[in-house]
Amino acid sequence: DTGVSQDPRHKITKRGQNVTFRCDPISEHNRLYWYRQTLGQGPEFLTYFQNEAQLEKSRLLSDRFSAERPKGSFSTLEIQRTEQGDSAMYLCASSSGGVSYNEQFFGPGTRLTVL
Amino acid sequence: DAKTTQPTSMDCAEGRAANLPCNHSTISGNEYVYWYRQIHSQGPQYIIHGLKNNETNEMASLIITEDRKSSTLILPHATLRDTAVYYCIVRAPYNAGNMLTFGGGTRLMVKP
Repeated sequence: DTGVSQDPRHKITKRGQNVTFRCDPISEHNRLYWYRQTLGQGPEFLTYFQNEAQLEKSRLLSDRFSAERPKGSFSTLEIQRTEQGDSAMYLCASSSGGVSYNEQFFGPGTRLTVL
Repeated sequence: DAKTTQPTSMDCAEGRAANLPCNHSTISGNEYVYWYRQIHSQGPQYIIHGLKNNETNEMASLIITEDRKSSTLILPHATLRDTAVYYCIVRAPYNAGNMLTFGGGTRLMVKP
């Protein structure tokens, strides 16, 4: 257990439905990241927060994807109008800031299946 | 960030050293080499990182060649629990998004 939790661990939905995932980072970490991992591939970066500010979102896969971190603590990732191609593992990670090196601690992920 | 090349898979006997190579021939002077691993059904786990000197911690050793174009992660006494996908990542200190760019990694199978 890294201290990063994600909820739910598994989500099955029908195509066209909206889904929202939650990530609770390590409490003292001000940086939070979302990645997506499809079967057999390495994780792919989606977006990044420093405190409540979303500093990088150009890698979000489409405008159906959005993320928030309203109080600089937990974060949510929403996918609207899900498609079968959205089926993947969604990983959250957190890290402390300040210096150039910052180890990222990953949560267990949320596995999404779109039927 | 520089691209890395790793073998797709490797086997290792339990109790022996596992040596996982990584090629990063286009690495820049300020880029670090990181290693993460991902055990089945878990999120990636940090192992070790280095810039130019060899590094060792309780999990592994990292050997970086003098020209920094390649490195080797060494697990000194591999156990069955070390079976995982190992990712070598080269990253500049302040890239956009502080992202980690994962490749395909090396699938290490430790066999009894």
